Parts: sequence; structure tokens; C-alpha cells
Amino acid sequence: DADVTQTPRNRITKTGKRIMLECSQTKGHDRMYWYRQDPGLGLQLIYYSFDVKDINKGEISDGYSVSRQAQAKFSLSLESAIPNQTALYFCATSDPGQLKQFFGPGTRLTVL
Amino acid sequence: DAKTTQPPSMDCAEGRAANLPCNHSTISGNEYVYWYRQIHSQGPQYIIHGLKNNETNEMASLIITEDRKSSTLILPHATLRDTAVYYCIVSPRHNNAGNMLTFGGGTRLMVKP
Repeated sequence: DADVTQTPRNRITKTGKRIMLECSQTKGHDRMYWYRQDPGLGLQLIYYSFDVKDINKGEISDGYSVSRQAQAKFSLSLESAIPNQTALYFCATSDPGQLKQFFGPGTRLTVL
Repeated sequence: DAKTTQPPSMDCAEGRAANLPCNHSTISGNEYVYWYRQIHSQGPQYIIHGLKNNETNEMASLIITEDRKSSTLILPHATLRDTAVYYCIVSPRHNNAGNMLTFGGGTRLMVKP
């Protein structure tokens, strides 16, 4: 089984809808991250969490919120989806002090 | 964080060595060089990292110049499955932004038969 899983893998929604993307990990890592990737570009950090009680904004947090329900689970929400949030979303995990991150398979989100 | 410069694309013949350059002329003394790759819309995959010594693992070798202003990732015997976008990233091992990786545009490597 994969160490970092994301659900759903694909989602099509309409403008204004609330969407939640979920990430689970079995690596036992404290740190978790959410990135988005626009076509042909690199990844941009949305939010990151050092542990269950520590959540931090990344480069592009506007329009997004997160919840760290447990060490193994980190959810990303779009409160009111808009078309320019159409992108690939990746979750990642790492140990403290390590830049070696482990990525999930990604969620392809389309906002119409 | 220091920025990196990579060629946007490269080709390599299958079975030959692929040498991917990265310029990081403003790198600081405490910053590591990390390489990741992303195979068509999959999650990025860690390859290798180093501080100042050359490093080798089962996937690749990393050669860092003595002044640390540039590095080269070497895939010794490229296969078609190595076709991917390769990202060179420099960052301190410990940073206030929670070990944030800053991904640039990367190099799109095409391995051809």
C-alpha cells in the first residue's frame, strides 16, 4: 500500500462549491504539506503543518483552509471554489529537519 | 532562499548518461542541494541531496562544484522511464518555513530510444 494517499484522485466541481481534499499517511511523519501545481509550472506551497497543533500558511494560502485531524491526516478545503483553483494538488510528508519529502499521487481538481 | 537556474529541456539517448546541470550561484553555506523528479503528473520523487561532497545512491550521482555555485545530476544509464521533469532545489536543512521546498520550472528530460 502507498505511504501517502490522497482522495479523491479526480474531482470536477462548480464555482462556489465547497470542496475537501484529503490526505493520509502511514509513514509516521510529523510534518505534512499541501502544494498546488498549475499546468507546466512547478509546485507552490499552500499550507504546512509541523504537528497536529501547528499549522502555517504557505505561499498561496488565500482561498484555502486546512485541518490536521490527526498525525496521519491533513485535509485541504476550498471554501468557495473558483475556476483559477483548477490545478493538481499534492500532499507531502517529512520528518522534522528533513527536506526529503514524500508525495502522494495527487488530486486533479477542475472548477467549472 | 537561493534561486536555481536549469535548462528548460534536454534530450538523452537511452542507455547513455544523462547530465542535468543546475546553477545556484547565490547558495549560502548552510544550504543543501536537493534533486527531485516528477514523472508526468505524478507526485514528485526525491532523488538525492548533498551539501558539498559528491553523493551517489541507487538512482543517481550528484556532483557539486568546489565553490558550490553549480551542480550536476547524473543518471548513469538513462532509460525511457527516466523521462520526467527534474527539479534542482536549494534550501537549508532547517528553515523557519518548515522545510519548505521551492520548486522552480525544472528541466524536462526526454530519453529517446
